[in-house]
Amino acid sequence: GAGVSQSPSNKVTEKGKDVELRCDPISGHTALYWYRQSLGQGLEFLIYFQGNSAPDKSGLPSDRFSAERTGGSVSTLTIQRTQQEDSAVYLCASSPRRASSYNEQFFGPGTRLTVL
Amino acid sequence: AQTVTQSQPEMSVQEAETVTLSCTYDTSESDYYLFWYKQPPSRQMILVIRQEAYKQQNATENRFSVNFQKAAKSFSLKISDSQLGDAAMYFCAYRSAQGGSEKLVFGKGTKLTVNP
Repeated sequence: GAGVSQSPSNKVTEKGKDVELRCDPISGHTALYWYRQSLGQGLEFLIYFQGNSAPDKSGLPSDRFSAERTGGSVSTLTIQRTQQEDSAVYLCASSPRRASSYNEQFFGPGTRLTVL
Repeated sequence: AQTVTQSQPEMSVQEAETVTLSCTYDTSESDYYLFWYKQPPSRQMILVIRQEAYKQQNATENRFSVNFQKAAKSFSLKISDSQLGDAAMYFCAYRSAQGGSEKLVFGKGTKLTVNP
C-alpha cells in the first residue's frame, strides 16, 4: 500500500514569506508526527496529533510555526515569516494506534525547505 | 527530559565485515522503547530494529542485532556481513512507554560508509 507522502519535495522561499508543507499519512493511521532535521542538529520533534485529542505542540520552536490536521488525515505545517534558520528537512511520520503495540512510526521522504 | 547520544559522527567498514555503532541514552523511566533507524540519501527513514526495555533478550533482525545494556543505558547496533546497501545515516531513538505523546527522541546520527 501507499506510504506516507509529503509535498512539495523541495521548497525554496525568500526570508519573510509564509510556507505550507503537506503530509498525507498512511490510510487508517491515527497518529501523525512532524519532525525537523537540521544540519548538525539531528531530528527534533515538532508536533504530534492523535485522533481527536489535543495535539502535543511542545516541540514547536516559535509561534511562527503551526500545524493542523483536517479530518484526522492530511496535515499541514505552516511556517510564517520564514527565517534562514528555518532551513531544514521537515519529516512527517504516521503510526497506527494499537494499545499493546510499540506503534512503529512510518516516515515520509520529507520536504527540504531552503530560506534565502 | 530524555537525551540520546551517538558519539561516532562517522564510521566506515569493509564490505562483508562487521561494524558496531554506539548509542547511549539518559532517562529516569523504567519502561521505554529503543530504535535504530536508517536514512539513505533518499531521506526515507527506515526502521532497522527495535528493543523493548522490559525485554532482557537482545533484538535481532537478520544481519542486524543490538547489545542492550539497561543498567548502563547503552544500546549499540551491530551490522554483520556489511553490504554496500548498508551505507547510510543511522539514528538511535528513544520513546517513552508511559503514554501521552509518543514522540521519538533522536541522537545526532552516525554516517556509515561501506567500502568495497
